Amino acid sequence: QQQVKQSPQSLIVQKGGISIINCAYENTAFDYFPWYQQFPGKGPALLIAIRPDVSEKKEGRFTISFNKSAKQFSLHIMDSQPGDSATYFCAAPSNTGKLIFGQGTTLQVKP
Amino acid sequence: DAGVIQSPRHEVTEMGQEVTLRCKPISGHDYLFWYRQTMMRGLELLIYFNNNVPIDDSGMPEDRFSAKMPNASFSTLKIQPSEPRDSAVYFCASSSGTRLQHFGDGTRLSIL
Repeated sequence: QQQVKQSPQSLIVQKGGISIINCAYENTAFDYFPWYQQFPGKGPALLIAIRPDVSEKKEGRFTISFNKSAKQFSLHIMDSQPGDSATYFCAAPSNTGKLIFGQGTTLQVKP
Repeated sequence: DAGVIQSPRHEVTEMGQEVTLRCKPISGHDYLFWYRQTMMRGLELLIYFNNNVPIDDSGMPEDRFSAKMPNASFSTLKIQPSEPRDSAVYFCASSSGTRLQHFGDGTRLSIL
């Protein structure tokens, strides 16, 4: 069964710091790797996504880095803010077209 | 522009009762997904539809669960009979293609 392993499970960062969340995937359709952000009581919302033909994608304070050879990708949140406190999920497409989600990382940014 | 709409937002019912969760996808989207979220198992895909046709229901936990999509603007997930272990948050998501999925705000289900 295909898996996506996400770490850490939880993360506490001071305001202004850098938050880093990592994901490793197994066999995949290899065409699209999204990150979702979820606030309490809300559904996951697409945050940023990367295609594997690029090694990095940046949108504002959020950056995805992709390492094809290591089958890993990571989310960096620069200048982390209390409003970034949420649960973050990575996902990878399976060979059958489904998205396989990581277990999630709960981020707390302290003021 | 309306997003994915789910109802009810909260449901509390007793074990053995039938539960029906409803979803209205974003207009124009051709894929619809049902997920279940728990602390122990995270986000699990239960079933997904393409153009109203069920494509993969391998995630449906057992025969007590069923899902239908009678038309492009409506889907239901039914649990009959419900059990306490079915307590979870159930999400519906829709997309144009399978990748950029848009989630609703979920139904928090509690089975007593």
